[in-house]
Amino acid sequence: GAVVSQHPSRVICKSGTSVKIECRSLDFQATTMFWYRQFPKQSLMLMATSNEGSKATYEQGVEKDKFLINHASLTLSTLTVTSAHPEDSSFYICSASGGLAGANTGELFFGEGSRLTVL
Amino acid sequence: QKEVEQDPGPLSVPEGAIVSLNCTYSNSAFQYFMWYRQYSRKGPELLMYTYSSGNKEDGRFTAQVDKSSKYISLFIRDSQPSDSATYLCAMSGAEYGNKLVFGAGTILRVKS
Repeated sequence: GAVVSQHPSRVICKSGTSVKIECRSLDFQATTMFWYRQFPKQSLMLMATSNEGSKATYEQGVEKDKFLINHASLTLSTLTVTSAHPEDSSFYICSASGGLAGANTGELFFGEGSRLTVL
Repeated sequence: QKEVEQDPGPLSVPEGAIVSLNCTYSNSAFQYFMWYRQYSRKGPELLMYTYSSGNKEDGRFTAQVDKSSKYISLFIRDSQPSDSATYLCAMSGAEYGNKLVFGAGTILRVKS
């Protein structure tokens, strides 16, 4: 299957700082990327849909000024958690679709996830 | 009512057993059905992908979709301890674009 790389896999930061997480599609061009949040023992919660070259579409209840998403190229999307607080601590996962990876079929490939801990 | 219902388990089975994992859903517009496996602290890994109704087999894994009953299943034959993970069903359709609707995930434990 297609490969999606996510970095960093783990990050610890102080409250009030900003953290950037990168999501890259390594062997295909991802016209659409998705960002999810997952709490322990719970399923994935979609935060936003990111389309290359346009603004992200956020799900209801997700603060767009808190979670900045940039999808500047067909292989890279970034999620920046601004002014992070302990309640932002979670497992953040990106996924990508598009091109040979399965455009318009619902077939998504996921990154390895990034565990954020805010002290 | 959730769009996708999945028993969170945990489901414990002995090594070699046949495992049956299931999801039900309410929206008949779903057309694409997927099963993902997620190991602890890792991202989900696509196991099976099915379009519309029918069966699909890949090695020890068989996915079944029954759209008339709004019911999907994943069977794992000859289960191994390495199959221990959380299994997430997911589905999508034209009205969802490429968004997936996930089940809660079932924790599977295969004991040697």
